[in-house]
Amino acid sequence: QITLKESGPTLVKPTQTLTLTCTFSGFSLSTSGVAVGWIRQPPGKALEWLALIYWDDDRRYSPSLKSRLTITKDTSKNQVVLTLTNMDPVDTATYFCAHRHTIAVVAFDYWGQGTLVTVSS
Amino acid sequence: DIQMTQSPSSVSASVGDRVTITCRASQSISRWLVWYQQKPGKAPKLLIYTASSLQSGVPSRFSGSGSGTDFTLTISSLQPEDVATYYCQRANNFPPTFGGGTKVEIK
Repeated sequence: QITLKESGPTLVKPTQTLTLTCTFSGFSLSTSGVAVGWIRQPPGKALEWLALIYWDDDRRYSPSLKSRLTITKDTSKNQVVLTLTNMDPVDTATYFCAHRHTIAVVAFDYWGQGTLVTVSS
Repeated sequence: DIQMTQSPSSVSASVGDRVTITCRASQSISRWLVWYQQKPGKAPKLLIYTASSLQSGVPSRFSGSGSGTDFTLTISSLQPEDVATYYCQRANNFPPTFGGGTKVEIK
């Protein structure tokens, strides 16, 4: 049974760096084909894909946020970490991590519950 | 980037009605489209992948069709538990863009 859970601060100040951790179980990020991604959703708005990391450490980023994003993995801890620098109030959103569906190039079949991050001074 | 446009943005229908949601891609994505259902305060749930394949555990009243640029999600008989926002997402390459969502309500 696959589960994922996001953790991190609920409130960050403008210009600070956000660090979120996704802790998962039921699969291994050392298995060929496996990947974990991050998606966010501003309040009342649509979903926005942020980043994805594969089992082989290949990383993909949203072109519009690439300069501010870093995704890493710790296979021994079953964790994926996302950092987003220079936070702004427009980055206020619920941040989800999700397991990549192996059929498609990039789709997500298991999601964490999400964590709401508010950016405010 | 390929843009995904959903219509309508909201729909209100009676229990038992057939509901159809459309998603249009700005370029051909073959059949690499997925649909998600998101209930209020919850994470999205994968319903359909590769345009028409039903994810395990999803009720058979949900179906998907289409290829190229035009896709459809159909709920054959709307149930109260189907109240949610539905999103399409292109799944063939990066970045995986989402549609703007369609909110389904009970009349």
